[in-house]
Amino acid sequence: NAGVTQTPKFQVLKTGQSMTLQCAQDMNHEYMSWYRQDPGMGLRLIHYSVGAGITDQGEVPNGYNVSRSTTEDFPLRLLSAAPSQTSVYFCASSLSGSTDTQYFGPGTRLTVL
Amino acid sequence: GQNIDQPTEMTATEGAIVQINCTYQTSGFNGLFWYQQHAGEAPTFLSYNVLDGLEEKGRFSSFLSRSKGYSYLLLKELQMKDSASYLCAAPPTLDSNYQLIWGAGTKLIIKP
Repeated sequence: NAGVTQTPKFQVLKTGQSMTLQCAQDMNHEYMSWYRQDPGMGLRLIHYSVGAGITDQGEVPNGYNVSRSTTEDFPLRLLSAAPSQTSVYFCASSLSGSTDTQYFGPGTRLTVL
Repeated sequence: GQNIDQPTEMTATEGAIVQINCTYQTSGFNGLFWYQQHAGEAPTFLSYNVLDGLEEKGRFSSFLSRSKGYSYLLLKELQMKDSASYLCAAPPTLDSNYQLIWGAGTKLIIKP
């Protein structure tokens, strides 16, 4: 099993550009989530999904969109990148919710100029 | 409000014991997690405490006191590979099945 995979590992964008961060898991987990991690702060939840076709907002959803068309995939879209979105982004999955063990992808380091 | 506090950085010596503390304020309690994160890598699960007391897993133990809103991670026989950040997390409310609040992490530096 590959676990949770994310692409790309690194990305540089200019302000105003859009892009999609990819996330996939092969563990048949229902719950998937996106976090951002900034220096000196805890992980912050952006969006999460409890199953195919079901998504909801987390703590910091503004500027990001998600969809969940399959159990395996949970892409994160940045609509119009801003320097404040410079961060490390982690995708995670678990069996059914955040109170189960979460398995994290390797992360995407995003810089917005 | 809901909040998790943990020290920013700690230093310990190889072979020694270190205790990393975490205090939490949540609306109700539904368990507390510890994750380990090596620099430049993803967090990985260490422990999940729901009941008061000490749970031991090899060199790592985790303690919880619900009445004090307090937990600690105890690392014994420290090895250089234990140099990492240790993240404390908990659901913000009793019925939060889909969200966690996270501490900023404690960076543990192990010296030879």
